[in-house]
Amino acid sequence: GQNIDQPTEMTATEGAIVQINCTYQTSGFNGLFWYQQHAGEAPTFLSYNVLDGLEEKGRFSSFLSRSKGYSYLLLKELQMKDSASYLCAAPLSDSNYQLIWGAGTKLIIKP
Amino acid sequence: NAGVTQTPKFRVLKTGQSMTLLCAQDMNHEYMYWYRQDPGMGLRLIHYSVGEGTTAKGEVPDGYNVSRLKKQNFLLGLESAAPSQTSVYFCASSLAGGPADTQYFGPGTRLTVL
Repeated sequence: GQNIDQPTEMTATEGAIVQINCTYQTSGFNGLFWYQQHAGEAPTFLSYNVLDGLEEKGRFSSFLSRSKGYSYLLLKELQMKDSASYLCAAPLSDSNYQLIWGAGTKLIIKP
Repeated sequence: NAGVTQTPKFRVLKTGQSMTLLCAQDMNHEYMYWYRQDPGMGLRLIHYSVGEGTTAKGEVPDGYNVSRLKKQNFLLGLESAAPSQTSVYFCASSLAGGPADTQYFGPGTRLTVL
């Protein structure tokens, strides 16, 4: 079946580095998305990976391993404003690009 | 450029009442989506539209209807609300429906059904 798994909650310290993992099972592979969602707000796009490896965007990086069905989001130099939920999502199949979403990882940043 | 907007932001209904949620986008996107978000679960697709005048069912369509009479608007209707429909509803849009197309979300509607 199709499924996306993420840890429910993580805690990290301001200024530190945190890695949020995501494992996925989909029919075929058409990339993987990461979105950020602050409490009470809409999800906003962070990254899209379709090739293996690490893509860096400022303090945020996203990694993909297609052979392992695994991705992670790496957040560096954590700031209090990074406290949010991070959602992993992937297209269902090669013929259906509707997204299947993970339940999200709530990241709590402590001073 | 407002992006994706939703009205209303909050609503409380009694069981059996009906309501319509409105989504509007000003980005000239072809695809539009309605999701619901419940605690401990991922976003679930209710219905979506691939263009003006067309709609399709998503993962959890029962109890909902939609219409896309104009390209910029996507309406979600609840004909007879049930407590199980208490949720946060998000509308989203994307330029097209390709696998790499980013979805842009509205601010959400928080619906409580008593």
